[in-house]
Amino acid sequence: EPEVTQTPSHQVTQMGQEVILRCVPISNHLYFYWYRQILGQKVEFLVSFYNNEISEKSEIFDDQFSVERPDGSNFTLKIRSTKLEDSAMYFCASSELPDSSPYGYTFGSGTRLTVV
Amino acid sequence: AQKVTQAQTEISVVEKEDVTLDCVYETRDTTYYLFWYKQPPSGELVFLIRRNSFDEQNEISGRYSWNFQKSTSSFNFTITASQVVDSAVYFCALSDRFQGAQKLVFGQGTRLTINP
Repeated sequence: EPEVTQTPSHQVTQMGQEVILRCVPISNHLYFYWYRQILGQKVEFLVSFYNNEISEKSEIFDDQFSVERPDGSNFTLKIRSTKLEDSAMYFCASSELPDSSPYGYTFGSGTRLTVV
Repeated sequence: AQKVTQAQTEISVVEKEDVTLDCVYETRDTTYYLFWYKQPPSGELVFLIRRNSFDEQNEISGRYSWNFQKSTSSFNFTITASQVVDSAVYFCALSDRFQGAQKLVFGQGTRLTINP
């Protein structure tokens, strides 16, 4: 079964450092997303991406965050200057056209980011 | 604004019991999608179901069933004859985007523990 691949699975970084989280979405999916989950809390939407541009972003997704699809397969989330409160699990997801059947909205296994 | 409420923070049952996880949602839109995801202890998010707002038919998949009632804005999930492997956090989510990228709004999750 196709899957969304995220690397690394765990990253520890010093406060103020830049991090790049990487994702390989499912190849025939058109829409790409990043979500985050602070430990023990709900999953929160960060950003959606379609046709090489951001289609929607949340209030969490401020100027410290950026996304990019540098080639035909990777989808990255960059945090420019990490803060302690950026510590969370970050999930990448990809989805098909909404009227696809069966429909897939698949999450990767996540990258646990720890800012120290 | 959209909101998803999963009032049951934790549920604990004995194996083979049936268990229902409640989900109540709020949206001003008449067209929307509802989702359920499972998050096992390993942390990934596993897609279980997507239902659109036009389809109020109940759905059954093996031991899993879903009851969608627009009149009460609920999309409840029942596990019949529960098993230890069903132990996980379950999230209900809502998307009011009927076209394009699907931003998901998640509930707080229900932690389900199945005891042998």
